[in-house]
Amino acid sequence: GAGVSQSPSNKVTEKGKDVELRCDPISGHTALYWYRQSLGQGLEFLIYFQGNSAPDKSGLPSDRFSAERTGGSVSTLTIQRTQQEDSAVYLCASSFGYGRGQYEQYFGPGTRLTVT
Amino acid sequence: AQSVSQHNHHVILSEAASLELGCNYSYGGTVNLFWYVQYPGQHLQLLLKYFSGDPLVKGIKGFEAEFIKSKVSFNLRKPSVQWSDTAEYFCAVTLHNTDKLIFGTGTRLQVFP
Repeated sequence: GAGVSQSPSNKVTEKGKDVELRCDPISGHTALYWYRQSLGQGLEFLIYFQGNSAPDKSGLPSDRFSAERTGGSVSTLTIQRTQQEDSAVYLCASSFGYGRGQYEQYFGPGTRLTVT
Repeated sequence: AQSVSQHNHHVILSEAASLELGCNYSYGGTVNLFWYVQYPGQHLQLLLKYFSGDPLVKGIKGFEAEFIKSKVSFNLRKPSVQWSDTAEYFCAVTLHNTDKLIFGTGTRLQVFP
């Protein structure tokens, strides 16, 4: 079946602009995760959703970052007033269930964000 | 500080050589342990995982890992690597009461024919 999809695959934006990154999880997966992969910081957790609610937002770097999930499916990660340090690959993952940290997470191809 | 450590940043091997990639974590309590792999141009995918029971776990493509509680380690092994194993390998943990993956910094493996 279809895997996790993300759009756009690449995004170049000017410093100060807002961007929206989209994630379509695997159908039927109840949990959705956002991570960021950058040269300086490696792979970092940002936020995750159980259904439409986000019990853990601890990884969001600043209040310029926000995410929502609607209908238990698609999620959007929004970065306001982008800065050059936001340049990274933003990865989305989904899992069939949640709790106890034992469900396999399936990753999407990522969105490469470049802030100029 | 709590962390996941991968001490080998870049490993270069010839085909048929044996592989061992180190992973140590510094979290107390119960943890779940994972190895993920990212082949060039592909998505992150799960190689293997350990939750409990037999500390030697086998994954896809001939990989295995051993959980050693006394050493807080979960090293990845493969007896004979192939060129197609060239990839970046990430060790990760989840704590027992949360689903977020905490990753190590990754090990880049290059295998030459």
